[in-house]
Amino acid sequence: EPEVTQTPSHQVTQMGQEVILRCVPISNHLYFYWYRQILGQKVEFLVSFYNNEISEKSEIFDDQFSVERPDGSNFTLKIRSTKLEDSAMYFCASRETTGVNEQFFGPGTRLTVL
Amino acid sequence: AQKVTQAQTEISVVEKEDVTLDCVYETRDTTYYLFWYKQPPSGELVFLIRRNSFDEQNEISGRYSWNFQKSTSSFNFTITASQVVDSAVYFCALSEALDSSYKLIFGSGTRLLVRP
Repeated sequence: EPEVTQTPSHQVTQMGQEVILRCVPISNHLYFYWYRQILGQKVEFLVSFYNNEISEKSEIFDDQFSVERPDGSNFTLKIRSTKLEDSAMYFCASRETTGVNEQFFGPGTRLTVL
Repeated sequence: AQKVTQAQTEISVVEKEDVTLDCVYETRDTTYYLFWYKQPPSGELVFLIRRNSFDEQNEISGRYSWNFQKSTSSFNFTITASQVVDSAVYFCALSEALDSSYKLIFGSGTRLLVRP
């Protein structure tokens, strides 16, 4: 069964460093998302991406964040200068565009900012 | 504004008991979609069900059942004869048709602990 994959599973970085989180969505899906979950809290929407551009972003998704689909398979989330409060689990999700379909989530990347 | 409320922070039951997880939502949209996701201790988010606002039929899948009531803006989830493997955090989520991105708005989750 096709699935969303994410790498790395765990990333540890120093405050102020740039990180890139990678996702490979399900191959025939065209809508892509990033969500984050601070430990013990709810899952929060960050950004949605369709047709090679951001379709919506939340107030969390400030200038320090960017997304890119550099080729036909990868979907990346970059945080330019990480802060302690960026420590969270980051989930990538994808869905088909024919009608409304459920989003399928990757296993997540746990980001720890020291 | 859209909102999902899961008032039960944590529920603890003994194996084989039935348990209901509550979900109440708020939306101004007339067409919307409701979801339940399971987050086991391993951390991934597992899709369980999607329900459209225009389809109020309840659904049963094995030991799982869902009760959608528009009149009370609720979409409750019942596990019958719970098992230890059901222990997880369960999230209810909402997506609105007017939202072109169809992003998911999650509730805060209910942690279910099923004791042997």
